[in-house]
Amino acid sequence: GAVVSQHPSRVICKSGTSVKIECRSLDFQATTMFWYRQFPKQSLMLMATSNEGSKATYEQGVEKDKFLINHASLTLSTLTVTSAHPEDSSFYICSAYRTGTVGGRSGNTIYFGEGSWLTVV
Amino acid sequence: DAKTTQPTSMDCAEGRAANLPCNHSTISGNEYVYWYRQIHSQGPQYIIHGLKNNETNEMASLIITEDRKSSTLILPHATLRDTAVYYCIPYNAGNMLTFGGGTRLMVKP
Repeated sequence: GAVVSQHPSRVICKSGTSVKIECRSLDFQATTMFWYRQFPKQSLMLMATSNEGSKATYEQGVEKDKFLINHASLTLSTLTVTSAHPEDSSFYICSAYRTGTVGGRSGNTIYFGEGSWLTVV
Repeated sequence: DAKTTQPTSMDCAEGRAANLPCNHSTISGNEYVYWYRQIHSQGPQYIIHGLKNNETNEMASLIITEDRKSSTLILPHATLRDTAVYYCIPYNAGNMLTFGGGTRLMVKP
């Protein structure tokens, strides 16, 4: 399957600082990427949809000034958690939308990165 | 978005087939059924998808009922590494994936 890579896989930062997480589609171009957050024992919650060359679309309740998303190229989207606080500690997961066909039928699929564990102390 | 109903948890003996059901009675005509799984502390992994025909790949088989209101993911020979949370998601191309609670599959020796 397609490969989506996230970096860093784990990061610890001090309260009040900013942290950047990168998401790359390694073997395909993605005009659309998605950022999710997952708290322990909960399902994934969509934070925002990132479109290459345009502003991200944030889900209700997600602060766009706190979670800055940049999708400057077809293979890279970044999420910056600004002025991080302990309550921002979570598992952040990106995904990229790949279009195409497989055996003559729709192969449009979203592939996920490995996730990034953020701990704010 | 169509809603799904999946068992909260299931057990399966190693080497046996794991059959994971999903009810998606409100699925729309242009929505595919996608299956993902999430192994602990990892990002979700794509397994398989289908529209109305049964599908098979190297990971699993997908059986979709004729009325498309439900489907079953089949892992033919479950291994301990198949222990994960499995998500069934009706999906319309280009939109985001909405995750429900999924089924926690425990494969036991």
